[in-house]
Amino acid sequence: SQQGEEDPQALSIQEGENATMNCSYKTSINNLQWYRQNSGRGLVHLILIRSNEREKHSGRLRVTLDTSKKSSSLLITASRAADTASYFCATEASGSARQLTFGSGTQLTVLP
Amino acid sequence: DGGITQSPKYLFRKEGQNVTLSCEQNLNHDAMYWYRQDPGQGLRLIYYSQIVNDFQKGDIAEGYSVSREKKESFPLTVTSAQKNPTAFYLCASSWTGTGAEKLFFGSGTQLSVL
Repeated sequence: SQQGEEDPQALSIQEGENATMNCSYKTSINNLQWYRQNSGRGLVHLILIRSNEREKHSGRLRVTLDTSKKSSSLLITASRAADTASYFCATEASGSARQLTFGSGTQLTVLP
Repeated sequence: DGGITQSPKYLFRKEGQNVTLSCEQNLNHDAMYWYRQDPGQGLRLIYYSQIVNDFQKGDIAEGYSVSREKKESFPLTVTSAQKNPTAFYLCASSWTGTGAEKLFFGSGTQLSVL
């Protein structure tokens, strides 16, 4: 079952602009992770945020988590053409067998 | 180079045939996973293993089988019982599989039906 759902499904922006992607989920979670996937490749881990955290930064990435709304957002600042990829959120549900459930992803295109 | 190696990159299956996808890791990770990805969709868990000689079914295990005879290897067999096998298959690993860990992914195998 799909726990996380990303919004929008596709996003196209100009280089230098900020990109914001959202993830909503249905059940309580232990943590939420964001991954990036270039076309035809494997996923690369970007950031993990635990359920007791509200915000986390890593370089040009900023992730927020609102457990009351069951949602998270990923902000990429000053985007570059090389940021073009699909971005997925993955949730580890509370009390689960600790396996991640992935959303359907946001396809980000950064135009030079 | 440390990482996860999947082979082959492309694989074709004939009707009624079993095919095996290879996954090897040299990260010394205990846990390994197989995911299936359909076009424009997220990943769905097929099987996972947290220790040698043990594995668990994921959300879509029907028509698939796995083995974990060695820590570094976790091959996936797509059997003839899997009626819609065309997909992108991703293998991943993590340190223990006990939660709050990032996954390391291979570069995937695209399986198509002839």
